[in-house]
Amino acid sequence: SQTIHQWPATLVQPVGSPLSLECTVEGTSNPNLYWYRQAAGRGLQLLFYSIGIDQISSEVPQNLSASRPQDRQFILSSKKLLLSDSGFYLCACPPGGQGYGYTFGSGTRLTVV
Amino acid sequence: GDSVTQMEGPVTLSEEAFLTINCTYTATGYPSLFWYVQYPGEGLQLLLKATKADDKGSNKGFEATYRKETTSFHLEKGSVQVSDSAVYFCALWRAQTGANNLFFGTGTRLTVIP
Repeated sequence: SQTIHQWPATLVQPVGSPLSLECTVEGTSNPNLYWYRQAAGRGLQLLFYSIGIDQISSEVPQNLSASRPQDRQFILSSKKLLLSDSGFYLCACPPGGQGYGYTFGSGTRLTVV
Repeated sequence: GDSVTQMEGPVTLSEEAFLTINCTYTATGYPSLFWYVQYPGEGLQLLLKATKADDKGSNKGFEATYRKETTSFHLEKGSVQVSDSAVYFCALWRAQTGANNLFFGTGTRLTVIP
């Protein structure tokens, strides 16, 4: 079965600082990968998805970017964080097969101060 | 486009009370439906799923039935426990081109008090 690793688990960063969150997947190859954000008191918002190396699609215009340098690695970045970037960031991957839902990483809680 | 509408919370119940969290969806074709749970400080876990009409998903005492005629997938539990306190997300998956094929509701926070 597949496993998603995310780090760090928590992060406190000042406004204007850069950001790099990493997600790696084990137990599968060539997966679709997703970054979601959950703002405080809000639902899940899809930020980016990737269907392969260097293939990234953005769902909403924002201060963030994503990259996929390797098949099982998905990175979320920012050059300059804003207060509004605070939230809970989740990486996700379909386990394979139709209709089986997604597997999620344990998430990174980012607080921009 | 595809979407999920979920009952707004928060919901507060006493232990052993009956729980219903409503979820309706809009989608073309035949989506799969899911309930995810997020316990405090943790990521999302798949709670249950149903892949076709009239399927009933169940897990940990929770149940939800895929009702195509009412486009609903309401979550129920007969007797909630304090440990069920969490945020519950309804989600829809439909095979389509591209990779944006899992849609979430906004989540419902459940608090169970002893």
